[in-house]
Amino acid sequence: AQSVAQPEDQVNVAEGNPLTVKCTYSVSGNPYLFWYVQYPNRGLQFLLKYITGDNLVKGSYGFEAEFNKSQTSFHLKKPSALVSDSALYFCAVRERGDDKIIFGKGTRLHILP
Amino acid sequence: DADVTQTPRNRITKTGKRIMLECSQTKGHDRMYWYRQDPGLGLRLIYYSFDVKDINKGEISDGYSVSRQAQAKFSLSLESAIPNQTALYFCATSDGTKLETQYFGPGTRLLVL
Repeated sequence: AQSVAQPEDQVNVAEGNPLTVKCTYSVSGNPYLFWYVQYPNRGLQFLLKYITGDNLVKGSYGFEAEFNKSQTSFHLKKPSALVSDSALYFCAVRERGDDKIIFGKGTRLHILP
Repeated sequence: DADVTQTPRNRITKTGKRIMLECSQTKGHDRMYWYRQDPGLGLRLIYYSFDVKDINKGEISDGYSVSRQAQAKFSLSLESAIPNQTALYFCATSDGTKLETQYFGPGTRLLVL
């Protein structure tokens, strides 16, 4: 069965520093991988996805993620954090041929001014 | 996302009551989903529907039922609410062809006393 893990409940980063939010996954076959962001009192918003091709995926708001098949990881990154990046981030995986997307438990990102 | 709306936004009910949460979308998507969000547990899939005649159970369907009244409408019912159904409920849609970006509604916060 497919699964996704976000090992950190919370990540604190100073504004202007690079940030990384970690995600690892487990699927039997090839994965589709996603990152979503949730701002307070809002639904989730799509950030980026990996389907195939280039392992480095660029998304909204300057975020990017790198698909690493050998480490089964899809970490979210941004070179320079903004206070407005503070939110709850969800990694998600879908196994090719499966109907459902499985979400991680979320990582709360705090960007400190 | 204003294209996916949920009503009500907040609801307080008592144990044993039947309640319905409604979701409407103007995106023209065939696929619709219901999730619940609990702190520390992330999003868990309750039910999903790929068209009006297709309803599927998700990870945690017990105690819930759904109705897909039209392509644009997907309702979630709690037949007899219990306190551990207190959560934030999200509806989402996707078109199934763009693998597989989901668009979320703003959520319904439900409190079962």
